[in-house]
Amino acid sequence: EAGVTQFPSHSVIEKGQTVTLRCDPISGHDNLYWYRRVMGKEIKFLLHFVKESKQDESGMPNNRFLAERTGGTYSTLKVQPAELEDSGVYFCASSLNRGIANSPLHFGNGTRLTVT
Amino acid sequence: DAKTTQPPSMDCAEGRAANLPCNHSTISGNEYVYWYRQIHSQGPQYIIHGLKNNETNEMASLIITEDRKSSTLILPHATLRDTAVYYCIVRVLGNTPLVFGKGTRLSVIA
Repeated sequence: EAGVTQFPSHSVIEKGQTVTLRCDPISGHDNLYWYRRVMGKEIKFLLHFVKESKQDESGMPNNRFLAERTGGTYSTLKVQPAELEDSGVYFCASSLNRGIANSPLHFGNGTRLTVT
Repeated sequence: DAKTTQPPSMDCAEGRAANLPCNHSTISGNEYVYWYRQIHSQGPQYIIHGLKNNETNEMASLIITEDRKSSTLILPHATLRDTAVYYCIVRVLGNTPLVFGKGTRLSVIA
């Protein structure tokens, strides 16, 4: 079974530019989550999709961040315009939808974003 | 905020058991205990989870106290590849997100 795939693995952009990160979840996983870790800080939740719907976007830092999951398959996270403080590692995770039961999250290896 | 407390770092000799403690004194009846680890430059990796009974899989064992206020993750024979940051997380029933704390940095020493 293929794991969660993220692209690109690294991205270096200048302040003010736009970057789009992509996540391909494990096939059949309705739940998709975005997280990020900025330098020296803990891994922080950004948002949660169930299929194509945003279930929880309480962790999105501001309106420069836009996440989409059209068709309920892969997801994109766009940062526009990027600021220096957006630098960090962005992780995507997916899990099965088992209603009230728990299903572990499976993470990708992340996209390392550097804004200069 | 994370609802767990873990020591910031631990050392373990290669081949010995690594016992990683976690306090979660405010855990609710509908919250599971999850353990993840992050090896350098990789994404967090699921290890094990449990509600109130002890659990074992091919990677580790999870021992949860009877009052559920603390737990211990046991890696029975630690190897150098087990060097990582280990996260203990409580998670309510359903598909809720994980909330990561600072974790324990485990160093396995040859």
